[in-house]
Amino acid sequence: DQQVKQNSPSLSVQEGRISILNCDYTNSMFDYFLWYKKYPAEGPTFLISISSIKDKNEDGRFTVFLNKSAKHLSLHIVPSQPGDSAVYFCAAPPPNSGYALNFGKGTSLLVTP
Amino acid sequence: DTGVSQDPRHKITKRGQNVTFRCDPISEHNRLYWYRQTLGQGPEFLTYFQNEAQLEKSRLLSDRFSAERPKGSFSTLEIQRTEQGDSAMYLCASSSTGTSRAREQFFGPGTRLTVL
Repeated sequence: DQQVKQNSPSLSVQEGRISILNCDYTNSMFDYFLWYKKYPAEGPTFLISISSIKDKNEDGRFTVFLNKSAKHLSLHIVPSQPGDSAVYFCAAPPPNSGYALNFGKGTSLLVTP
Repeated sequence: DTGVSQDPRHKITKRGQNVTFRCDPISEHNRLYWYRQTLGQGPEFLTYFQNEAQLEKSRLLSDRFSAERPKGSFSTLEIQRTEQGDSAMYLCASSSTGTSRAREQFFGPGTRLTVL
């Protein structure tokens, strides 16, 4: 049962524009969310996280927004750069623990020059 | 390099053979995780260690799979009598308890297994 869902398998954005990657979750008890970026032939790299006590977290060009009532979060990348082209995974650990991240299927982002 | 390392990076084997993978976590991390990733999917949890104790196993971890972390440092994942369905990327991750970033898991580059 997929508790974290990324319904867009791919996204293409022009360099300099905003990239918006979406993630939905089903378990209202999730209280922490993470975004990972993955290049081919490499392991996922941690990008940014957000606690459920916040609705926004920003780190440079990356901002994550959390809408708890909609069980939805989004990752904004502004401005997008060609080096951002990768697969982005949304993940959440089980409530009150740090184990067994539940991952979405990922969204492949292509940033074109 | 102080990141998570995995060996080998690639493994090709014939069905029915046994394979073993190794993971070296970030040295100060006491938690170690194994995940499996297949094409078009996100990583799926297999098992988790805190120090040398294996504390959780997924239902994906059939009895052909065994993982160890004998001294609370590196870990091995063995697959016995491999099947073609075992072909996947096997990812190792580590994390540290007692810090503000305890929930962030740091991943290694993975071992790509191909079962012919």
